Amino acid sequence: DADVTQTPRNRITKTGKRIMLECSQTKGHDRMYWYRQDPGLGLRLIYYSFDVKDINKGEISDGYSVSRQAQAKFSLSLESAIPNQTALYFCATSDSRGGGGETQYFGPGTRLLVL
Amino acid sequence: GEDVEQSLFLSVREGDSSVINCTYTDSSSTYLYWYKQEPGAGLQLLTYIFSNMDMKQDQRLTVLLNKKDKHLSLRIADTQTGDSAIYFCAESNSGNTPLVFGKGTRLSVIA
Repeated sequence: DADVTQTPRNRITKTGKRIMLECSQTKGHDRMYWYRQDPGLGLRLIYYSFDVKDINKGEISDGYSVSRQAQAKFSLSLESAIPNQTALYFCATSDSRGGGGETQYFGPGTRLLVL
Repeated sequence: GEDVEQSLFLSVREGDSSVINCTYTDSSSTYLYWYKQEPGAGLQLLTYIFSNMDMKQDQRLTVLLNKKDKHLSLRIADTQTGDSAIYFCAESNSGNTPLVFGKGTRLSVIA
């Protein structure tokens, strides 16, 4: 079974709709991240959380919100989706106690299309 | 803020060696990473190197680090069509900030 799972894997929505992307992990890591990937722009950090109740803005947080309800779960919401939020979204985790740097482990991604 | 730069494209012939280069600006980087992203998939950790090392070898992969020039490279020996992917360089400093990723190098392997 995958250590980092994302649901849904694909989503089509309309402009103005609220949607939520979910991320769950079984790795026991304390840190979780949300990124979006656009062609030619690489990965851009949206939000990250170093522990439950800890939320930090990344490079491109406008238009997004997150919730870290438990150590294993980190959800990303688009309050009112717009077409330029069409992208591939990745969740990642890392373990601050691992002693091997901040190696991040990625989920399989959610492909979002906003019409 | 800190920055990681990579060229966007590289094309090599099957059987040749590939060298993907990366430069970074953070002089306090402690770990540097290479991730691979195959089509339709997430990022997979390939290898990483601690900043007090200058080389790390793992089967067909060789990582070279020039800390003075802040330059990292990934060499893939005997490149195969299955190596076609996007390769991301990333750096970590104190562990109190997330990894900083480059934009990725798309490697195309020509049979």
